[in-house]
Amino acid sequence: DIQMTQSPSSLSASVGDRVTISCRASQSISSYLNWFQQIPGKAPKALIYGASSLQNGVPSRFSGSESGTDFSLIIDSLQPEDFATYYCQQSYTSPTTFGQGTKLEIK
Amino acid sequence: EVQLVESGGGLVQAGRSLKLSCTASGFTFSHYTISWFRQAPGKGLEWVGFVGRTGDGGTTKYAASVKGRFTISRDDSKSIAYLQVSTLKTEDTAVYYCTRDPSGTYAYGMDVWGQGTTVIVSS
Repeated sequence: DIQMTQSPSSLSASVGDRVTISCRASQSISSYLNWFQQIPGKAPKALIYGASSLQNGVPSRFSGSESGTDFSLIIDSLQPEDFATYYCQQSYTSPTTFGQGTKLEIK
Repeated sequence: EVQLVESGGGLVQAGRSLKLSCTASGFTFSHYTISWFRQAPGKGLEWVGFVGRTGDGGTTKYAASVKGRFTISRDDSKSIAYLQVSTLKTEDTAVYYCTRDPSGTYAYGMDVWGQGTTVIVSS
């Protein structure tokens, strides 16, 4: 199975900050990388698919990038509702696998 | 409104069975692969399996951890997918989510998730 490793595991930031969350695949996954946001007690919400395409309705302050097997989720100008846990997911091959999550907390 | 709603979770003894449902509304159910994911308490997301579109043969696939114990099916006439969980183990304790996916490969992500249903397996 492909291993997805996120860093950092947790991150403290302030409203208005720009943050980057990283995700590394254990092998090439082309651009088959999705990002999800999960607020405690709620279901995950799809943010990005194909490494950089925004899902419908996702604010433009969210963006994704890739470089080889390294992927990034960037959030510009953090808003209070952005404090959550973020997961990456590879959809290149079965079984689909997730990173362990990055918890974004308010500083 | 596009929606998925899970039901059927509960407290069950190890070794017993449970049938979870995922009821869809607001979209053409038959056009989508339906997947199940789970999240153990305080842990990350884990893929459980999927049932493909009936028109593509309704293929099912399962994670190794549940293969042979879990069965996913669908009834397009009712817009419901099912997850039959059998021979439950304490490590199956989790919130179970259903999702939809138009591609069958998650290439476009899972854009709609249900609210989840909780399964607690006691020893």
